[in-house]
Amino acid sequence: QVQLQESGPGLVKPSGTLSLTCAVSGDSITSSNWWSWVRQPPGKGLEWIGEIYHSGNTNYNPSLKSRITISVDKSRNQFSLNLTAVTAADTAVYYCARFRCSSTRCYAGFDYWGQGTLVTVSS
Amino acid sequence: EIVLTQSPATLSLSPGERATLSCRASQSVSIHLAWYQQKPGQAPRLLIYDASNRATGIPARFSGSGSGTDFTLTISSLEPEDFAVYYCQQRFNWPPWTFGQGTKVEIK
Repeated sequence: QVQLQESGPGLVKPSGTLSLTCAVSGDSITSSNWWSWVRQPPGKGLEWIGEIYHSGNTNYNPSLKSRITISVDKSRNQFSLNLTAVTAADTAVYYCARFRCSSTRCYAGFDYWGQGTLVTVSS
Repeated sequence: EIVLTQSPATLSLSPGERATLSCRASQSVSIHLAWYQQKPGQAPRLLIYDASNRATGIPARFSGSGSGTDFTLTISSLEPEDFAVYYCQQRFNWPPWTFGQGTKVEIK
């Protein structure tokens, strides 16, 4: 059973850096899948942040690209998100998710999600 | 950026009724569209991938159809646990991968 678990501070000061980690179990971070971050402001919809492949290749949302870094730690089977210069607009539940791919194709849809972690930006 | 527009914003139905949810893309996404269900305090749950394929463990009352720019999620007979918010999401033209704004299915 694939499981993803987010961890990190629940409160970040304005202008600071939001750092989250997603621990993956039941699947290898070096499999053919991509690993994503998605966020959801309170009471609002879903926003894709970015994703990483185990090779280190990344894709980022252009609206956040200047502030995002996503990295992978193969030895710990986890990946991480850093978001710099945060403001109140970055307050959201942050989810990590798996985008399933085989050796020959990818399938539209995030099939496994973490339970989400609320990050509040406030002084 | 591809914009996904979901309609209606809210659907008020009774258990046992049929629900039809729409997702329209601002440009073609072929079949690279997924549907999710989200309940309060929970992560989204994948229902349909590649427009019409049910994800593992999803009941047969959920079905997806469409291609190009127009997609439909149908719930053939609503169960009490189906009242939730539903999102569509495209993974064809990036970046970014985008979600619709959601349709809330509420009890009438």
